[in-house]
Amino acid sequence: DAKTTQPPSMDCAEGRAANLPCNHSTISGNEYVYWYRQIHSQGPQYIIHGLKNNETNEMASLIITEDRKSSTLILPHATLRDTAVYYCIVRAYMNYGGATNKLIFGTGTLLAVQP
Amino acid sequence: DTAVSQTPKYLVTQMGNDKSIKCEQNLGHDTMYWYKQDSKKFLKIMFSYNNKELIINETVPNRFSPKSPDKAHLNLHINSLELGDSAVYFCASSLVGSSYNSPLHFGNGTRLTVT
Repeated sequence: DAKTTQPPSMDCAEGRAANLPCNHSTISGNEYVYWYRQIHSQGPQYIIHGLKNNETNEMASLIITEDRKSSTLILPHATLRDTAVYYCIVRAYMNYGGATNKLIFGTGTLLAVQP
Repeated sequence: DTAVSQTPKYLVTQMGNDKSIKCEQNLGHDTMYWYKQDSKKFLKIMFSYNNKELIINETVPNRFSPKSPDKAHLNLHINSLELGDSAVYFCASSLVGSSYNSPLHFGNGTRLTVT
């Protein structure tokens, strides 16, 4: 069962930053926060993940609160091609076998980038 | 080069038939997965294989039988297809080490329609 809570939908103007929030108040010490997105008719695409420090890559930035109970995915300059469902997922970073390898998807946030 | 490829992309068949979906990854990963995305867009894990060994088997009817001939391939065979099997099936792969779970890479899905 998903252990994260996300708003069902958000709008963002093209060229502006998109800030997608996620609550994961029951996150365990051995769990990372992962973000994926699914563009219509495609497979989920990995974006970024982090444990407790803020992370940045070529796609996005991830800000994790100090208590690790929530995080925000930031797309710095949203484009129309960023319109997708964004999933926030918590997952163990160690291989404890079997169930810990599962990536459990919730309902995600539908981000609509407007021209 | 396609990292995770699935065939066929579309599959239309009648109730009661048996069909297979194939998946191949060229990422050198040791773990592969099957996910099902139903009409409500909810993504749910079905199976996972690590080094050809079944490690995750969710509550899936035994009409579904995964087979992993080697680490790079995971096929899904479905017997006696039912209307409720209509969905998009996604294959994914990852690297699971003793101390590390890599992000999952997904294929672009197989849309199965049972009539």
